[in-house]
Amino acid sequence: GDSVTQMEGPVTLSEEAFLTINCTYTATGYPSLFWYVQYPGEGLQLLLKATKADDKGSNKGFEATYRKETTSFHLEKGSVQVSDSAVYFCALSPAGNNRKLIWGLGTSLAVNP
Amino acid sequence: GAGVSQSPSNKVTEKGKDVELRCDPISGHTALYWYRQSLGQGLEFLIYFQGNSAPDKSGLPSDRFSAERTGGSVSTLTIQRTQQEDSAVYLCASSLGQSNQPQHFGDGTRLSIL
Repeated sequence: GDSVTQMEGPVTLSEEAFLTINCTYTATGYPSLFWYVQYPGEGLQLLLKATKADDKGSNKGFEATYRKETTSFHLEKGSVQVSDSAVYFCALSPAGNNRKLIWGLGTSLAVNP
Repeated sequence: GAGVSQSPSNKVTEKGKDVELRCDPISGHTALYWYRQSLGQGLEFLIYFQGNSAPDKSGLPSDRFSAERTGGSVSTLTIQRTQQEDSAVYLCASSLGQSNQPQHFGDGTRLSIL
């Protein structure tokens, strides 16, 4: 069945460091891909999405490119801030079926000043 | 406009009691989802409603769990005879119902079973 594999955390970085959080998936067809973020004490928020191959989602300085050939959707940011400290979840929505998102386990990011 | 609203935000109850959790989705969203998030775990799908179609209950962990959605809007998740392993954050989300549309989440209900 469909699945999402996310790099394990926690990830600890210094401010202004480069961030990559790896996400790979297994799915038939062309799913939609999402990154969600959960800041401390808050609910899940959509960070960015890509709905077809080679699409790049971007928001708040974060980017992720839908790579069909490598079945990946890695999250990147060139210069992280303390306020980016949160848990990041990769998720996919199977093609033609929005019944349930398939979730990664989440990656905790801590950014130190 | 208003986002997804969940109540209560916190619920503490004794083992064996029934609990009812409420979700008020974004107006106009036809799809509604319930998830469970346990400490240190990812999100576990519970149930999905889409318009007037029969709900997808494939994620409900036992027959103690049930959910309904009245009038295509507000949903309640009921857990009967609660057990300690039911302790988790219960999240509700809604969406426009297409696969390329994101789900919008409420802040969740933190359920603690003593």
